[in-house]
Amino acid sequence: QQQVKQSPQSLIVQKGGISIINCAYENTAFDYFPWYQQFPGKGPALLIAIRPDVSEKKEGRFTISFNKSAKQFSLHIMDSQPGDSATYFCAARPSFISNFGNEKLTFGTGTRLTIIP
Amino acid sequence: NAGVTQTPKFQVLKTGQSMTLQCAQDMNHEYMSWYRQDPGMGLRLIHYSVGAGITDQGEVPNGYNVSRSTTEDFPLRLLSAAPSQTSVYFCASSYSAQGGMPSNEKLFFGSGTQLSVL
Repeated sequence: QQQVKQSPQSLIVQKGGISIINCAYENTAFDYFPWYQQFPGKGPALLIAIRPDVSEKKEGRFTISFNKSAKQFSLHIMDSQPGDSATYFCAARPSFISNFGNEKLTFGTGTRLTIIP
Repeated sequence: NAGVTQTPKFQVLKTGQSMTLQCAQDMNHEYMSWYRQDPGMGLRLIHYSVGAGITDQGEVPNGYNVSRSTTEDFPLRLLSAAPSQTSVYFCASSYSAQGGMPSNEKLFFGSGTQLSVL
């Protein structure tokens, strides 16, 4: 059972354009939504994260938009650059509970982003 | 700081062989975890630990064992390798949240071990 559905699987965007990657979740207990960026041959690295008390979070050219009622969140990369070419993973985690560490982080299936000149 | 170090980087096994993937972190992180990455499947949690002596199963634990005798090390053991375990394996650690509670909010990943089982 896939708890976090990510689309598209791959994406090609021209340099300077806007890249948009979407994720949808089912578990209403999720309360933390990070995005990870992975370059070939490397491990993923945290890019940006959001909690459901806000609808948008921006860090530089990267923005997360969050729609709690639709149970969807998306990553927007403005002014996309060739250096942004990587695989992006969304993830979600249920709220902290008394037994710390039991809240498992569930990842989406990944989006391979290619920025062309 | 080295961060999260995984060894080996590449490994080829025959079906039925056993081996241990090593993971060490020098950031004094309480939370450590193992993921496997397969095409079209994303990252799936195998096992995790919230501190020395404490481990628990993730989403796909079958065929793997872990132990956590120290804060720094979290080895992953394949007891009897199968072709279905061909994958890229990532170890990750995370710092404690406020109050010292282990947290997986910001995972620091190693560079991965590419494992092929023939």
